Amino acid sequence: EDKVVQSPLSLVVHEGDTVTLNCSYEVTNFRSLLWYKQEKKAPTFLFMLTSSGIEKKSGRLSSILDKKELFSILNITATQTGDSAIYLCAVGGAGTALIFGKGTTLSVSS
Amino acid sequence: ETGVTQTPRHLVMGMTNKKSLKCEQHLGHNAMYWYKQSAKKPLELMFVYNFKEQTENNSVPSRFSPECPNSSHLFLHLHTLQPEDSALYLCASSQELLPGGDGYTFGSGTRLTVV
Repeated sequence: EDKVVQSPLSLVVHEGDTVTLNCSYEVTNFRSLLWYKQEKKAPTFLFMLTSSGIEKKSGRLSSILDKKELFSILNITATQTGDSAIYLCAVGGAGTALIFGKGTTLSVSS
Repeated sequence: ETGVTQTPRHLVMGMTNKKSLKCEQHLGHNAMYWYKQSAKKPLELMFVYNFKEQTENNSVPSRFSPECPNSSHLFLHLHTLQPEDSALYLCASSQELLPGGDGYTFGSGTRLTVV
């Protein structure tokens, strides 16, 4: 059965800290891995990764995929209170829709 | 606004009621999805539509009935729900079934409470 496992499930840090969120997966015919940020209700797209070892960056956020070890990490440097959210990892495989993990709830305190 | 609009934002219904959730997108996307988000669980895929044809029903109970009259609109008809059906129902769309660089676009969801 295809599955996506995220860790930790929740995390509390102070502003300015750097955090690393993890996503491991088992999926038939892997196609892509995506990260989303969910602040209130609508998850918003962050990154899509398809190739190993190629880092994607957007400001203080970056992500990389390891297709050999079947995981991805999402790094956030110099965290701000506005980074507080649920971070969702999803994987596209042989099926017609993305498979999601439970998410990591990040709380950044000032 | 994301370009995917869901109504209503909140819904409280009794177990004997019939109600419908609506999702609308004008992004020109061809695929639309219903997901259920419950506390401490992964987003659960419910239904997938591609070019208004249903391509996947993820073993969803018959008390949930989807309808896709065209590529821009998706409904979820609800009847005789159970309290455990209380959750956030998210609609999403994508250009194609295997999303490209921008993944899915999600709506803000309908928070459903069954009493």
